[in-house]
Amino acid sequence: QKEVEQNSGPLSVPEGAIASLNCTYSDRGSQSFFWYRQYSGKSPELIMFIYSNGDKEDGRFTAQLNKASQYVSLLIRDSQPSDSATYLCAVRKGGATNKLIFGTGTLLAVQP
Amino acid sequence: DVKVTQSSRYLVKRTGEKVFLECVQDMDHENMFWYRQDPGLGLRLIYFSYDVKMKEKGDIPEGYSVSREKKERFSLILESASTNQTSMYLCASSSGLGMAQYFGPGTRLLVL
Repeated sequence: QKEVEQNSGPLSVPEGAIASLNCTYSDRGSQSFFWYRQYSGKSPELIMFIYSNGDKEDGRFTAQLNKASQYVSLLIRDSQPSDSATYLCAVRKGGATNKLIFGTGTLLAVQP
Repeated sequence: DVKVTQSSRYLVKRTGEKVFLECVQDMDHENMFWYRQDPGLGLRLIYFSYDVKMKEKGDIPEGYSVSREKKERFSLILESASTNQTSMYLCASSSGLGMAQYFGPGTRLLVL
């Protein structure tokens, strides 16, 4: 079992729809959770982070964390073609570590 | 804004050459990281540093070494480049335990 799992996609949504990206993790003691966006050929760019159970909203993006289910998700409202990218989930495991464990990413394609 | 820069965007080297990749961050971050990213394998941590002159091995340190003589600069060294080190190399920095990592633009290395 991978430590951080994401569906590789592609996830295809029409422009204006809500895109829902999911991530599960194996370490129940994980502390911090991050979503990065990576355009083809570019480096990852931080979109959001979440530390506590529940929802966190930033513009069109909402991160949702459920520690009991070991599940974190990213919702993108009013999806735009410019949102087409690979979305990486990253998790900091429990304990005194600076290491992040990255999922392999979900490719999102927003169709005009 | 956090700015992380890397010395080269593209690099072509021959097998057996010694290769230096440099990374500089301007936000006085304590922690710096080197990853490589390969299709289907995601981001893999090579080495990280939590202080000047301090370093720790990541998940795939073999064939690599690092140097951190100044807080803002973290270098990755390929002692004798091999073709299986052809990859995208990404540097990142973070301000502390559990904080988000910010990535540089990446260096795409081709070893012939």
